[in-house]
Order: sequence, then structure tokens, then C-alpha cells
Amino acid sequence: AQSVSQHNHHVILSEAASLELGCNYSYGGTVNLFWYVQYPGQHLQLLLKYFSGDPLVKGIKGFEAEFIKSKFSFNLRKPSVQWSDTAEYFCAVSLTTGGGNKLTFGTGTQLKVEL
Amino acid sequence: EAQVTQNPRYLITVTGKKLTVTCSQNMNHEYMSWYRQDPGLGLRQIYYSMNVEVTDKGDVPEGYKVSRKEKRNFPLILESPSPNQTSLYFCASSSHRQGSYEQYFGPGTRLTVT
Repeated sequence: AQSVSQHNHHVILSEAASLELGCNYSYGGTVNLFWYVQYPGQHLQLLLKYFSGDPLVKGIKGFEAEFIKSKFSFNLRKPSVQWSDTAEYFCAVSLTTGGGNKLTFGTGTQLKVEL
Repeated sequence: EAQVTQNPRYLITVTGKKLTVTCSQNMNHEYMSWYRQDPGLGLRQIYYSMNVEVTDKGDVPEGYKVSRKEKRNFPLILESPSPNQTSLYFCASSSHRQGSYEQYFGPGTRLTVT
């Protein structure tokens, strides 16, 4: 079964600092990769997704992620964070087979951006 | 507006009192799923449904039941809730046809079992 690891559980940054959140998955086959964000008190929203093609994926709100197949990684980046980016971020993986709708989530990274 | 709705949003109940959390989507999605979110554990899948009358266990199905009699609805049933089922629950849906497997999430139901 696939699993997802997010190594940073809590991250505190100042506004304008750069962000990189790590995500590694364990599955040898072809996967779909996602980053979701959950703002305080809200439901999950999709930030970006990767299925195939260019391994550098751009999402909403200035976020991007890079798929490195050899490292089984899909790290999330943003050059300059804002206070409004304070949220919890989840990496998720699904398989591209018939079970392609099953999402396996990482444990999440709580990001706090200070003014 | 395309959305997934859940009811109730907040629920406090006592051990053993049966409850149902409803989930409905208006996007004609085939796939629906229930997750629970617990601090430090992320989201874990409880049950999922590939289509009407087709359901299967996820990673943490114990103590839960589901049904899928209509395409738009996927209720989560706790026959005899226990305090360890206190959690934040999310329903999600997606389409097979799109081939993208992007899941749309409901607003969540915060359940407390005393």
C-alpha cells in the first residue's frame, strides 16, 4: 500500500520568507500527486496537482511543486509567503489504476506565517 | 454552484446513540468517500463508493457503515458511537470520467461523542 510522509509538522516563517514543504511517497508505480490546503475552520481546497508532463507544477496563490521521480518526492514551494498563507498543508497520492480515486494523505504540515 | 454538502456541521452525542451524517454532491460524480481527520494523523479514509450500490472499506472502517442508494448521496452511519470516534469528518467526491481524480471536499462535520 502507498504511504505519504511529510517531514515538517510545524513550520513558522516570517512574511516574505521562502517556503518549502517536503513530501515523499512510497509506491513504485505511476501515481497522481496533490497538495491540499486547509485554512483555519475550513474544508480542504486543492492547491495543485500532478498527473504527467512537466514535473514543475504551478498552482493557485503562487504555489508550485516539483515532482522528482527518482526521489519519490513532490515538494511544495512558494518564493514569498504571506500572513494569509497560515494554514495546514496536506500532500496526497493516488494511484492511476482502477483504484485511482483513493487518496492517501500525509499527516499534514501546520504553517504559521508571522507579520 | 458545484459543491459537496454535509449535515450536521457540528454534533455532540452520547455513547451508543445511533447517528447519521449526510453527504450530498451536485456534480454527478461516481466516486464518493468519507475521511476522518485527527491531529497528527492527517486524513484517513473510512469508506468509499465507486458508484451506486458499490461500497468498500477504506483504511479505518471499524464502527462505521455507509450506503449508496442514490448517486448524489453517501450517508455515514455510526450505529453505536464511542468516544474514540470523536473527530472531524469530511465527505469527498470525484469523477471517473474526468480522469483527473481530483476530489472535492465538503465543509466537514465535527463530531463529539461523550
